[in-house]
Amino acid sequence: EVQLVESGGGLVQPGGSLRLSCAASGFTISSYWMHWVRQAPGKGLVWVSRINGDGSTTNYADSVKGRFTISRDNAKNTLYLQMNSLRAEDTALYYCANYGLGVPLWGQGTLVTVSS
Amino acid sequence: DIVMTQSPDSLAVSLGERATINCKSSQSVLNTSTNKNCLVWYQQKPGQPPKLLIYWASTRESGVPDRFSGSGSGTDFTLTISSLQAEDVAVYYCQQYYSAPLTFGQGTKVEIK
Repeated sequence: EVQLVESGGGLVQPGGSLRLSCAASGFTISSYWMHWVRQAPGKGLVWVSRINGDGSTTNYADSVKGRFTISRDNAKNTLYLQMNSLRAEDTALYYCANYGLGVPLWGQGTLVTVSS
Repeated sequence: DIVMTQSPDSLAVSLGERATINCKSSQSVLNTSTNKNCLVWYQQKPGQPPKLLIYWASTRESGVPDRFSGSGSGTDFTLTISSLQAEDVAVYYCQQYYSAPLTFGQGTKVEIK
C-alpha cells in the first residue's frame, strides 16, 4: 500500500526550530517531486515547498523562504522540512504530498504549534 | 502563480438535491502532452485531513460514491454532487498541480438547507 506518514510536529516557542519528516512506503520517492502543504487552524490549504527527485531543485512559498529548508533522504525514502525562526503564523497542520503517482497522495499531517 | 477561484463560497442544498461547485483557474491547467487537466477536488470535514475525491479533473478516486463527479477542461471546472447526503456536509477545495506553486481554491462550504 502506498502511503505517506508525517511526524515531528509539536509545540515550539517563537524563534525556535523543528524538523518534520515524511516517511514514504509502497513507492520510491527518488522518482518524484515531493511537496509540503500546510493548513492553519480554520484556514485554507497553502502550498509550502517542493523538491525534485534527486534533491537538486527546490522551491518555496514566499512566506517561508529563507526560514524553511526542504530536503530528502532517498536511501531512507523520507522527505524532510527543516523549519527555523518559527513564527506564530506558522502554526498549522503540515502535510506531505505526491502528485506523480497518477493518483495524488497525501499523508495525515503533523501539527506544528508556535506559541510561548 | 495560477490563481484558483471557487464559487460560491458557501451553499445550502436540500437533502437529495444537486450541489454544484465551480472552480476557475487564471490560466489553463491542461497538460497538452498527456491531454489531462491537472486539477483535483478534495473534501474536508472538521478535524480531518482533506480527502481526495476527483483527480485529472474528472477521475473519481477509488471508493468515492458515484454521486460525486467532476467535469471541465482548461480553466473552468465543476464538482457536482448529484444527490446531497447528510455526510456530504464539508468544505470542498479545488487545486491545480499543473505548475508550482501548487495553488488551491479558497474552499466552498456545503451545508444542508
